[in-house]
Amino acid sequence: EDQVTQSPEALRLQEGESSSLNCSYTVSGLRGLFWYRQDPGKGPEFLFTLYSAGEEKEKERLKATLTKKESFLHITAPKPEDSATYLCAVQAEDKIIFGKGTRLHILP
Amino acid sequence: KAGVTQTPRYLIKTRGQQVTLSCSPISGHRSVSWYQQTPGQGLQFLFEYFSETQRNKGNFPGRFSGRQFSNSRSEMNVSTLELGDSALYLCASSYNRNEQFFGPGTRLTVL
Repeated sequence: EDQVTQSPEALRLQEGESSSLNCSYTVSGLRGLFWYRQDPGKGPEFLFTLYSAGEEKEKERLKATLTKKESFLHITAPKPEDSATYLCAVQAEDKIIFGKGTRLHILP
Repeated sequence: KAGVTQTPRYLIKTRGQQVTLSCSPISGHRSVSWYQQTPGQGLQFLFEYFSETQRNKGNFPGRFSGRQFSNSRSEMNVSTLELGDSALYLCASSYNRNEQFFGPGTRLTVL
């Protein structure tokens, strides 16, 4: 069964404390992996698309990487404004499957 | 460039009623997807429309339906509402399916 699992469910960090969020997946025919950020009361905001193992993308303090079984979202020296829920999604043939997200809270 | 708009933003209905939600995609985007988001299940894919044709469909009962118009605007309909249909319904538009831009959602409460 196609599945996307994100860990941890929630993460509290001090400002400046770097960490990584994990997205593991089991799908047949991966066409792309997406990362989104969602703030309370808003729709998800697109961050990255990754297509093949070994690919990396960066945006400000965020860096996404992809292997054959999982993706990581690395957050370097986070700030309180990085607090949000981070969602991972996988496009497989005729469907898109979202993970349940990681709630990230950065303490000042 | 205007973003994805969804109307209404909030809706309260009672069991057994039906509801229609509307989504206007970003200009030039022909693909519109609908999702249901709940705290327990997360984001679940409902369906995708491209050039007025349903291209993909998620695992939801037939009470959930949708359509897309020639101007790419899309509507989603839920008939015979159940308590479990209470959720945030999100619409996303894309040009090439690689990047989806989400609207703010419609919060549906079924009493």
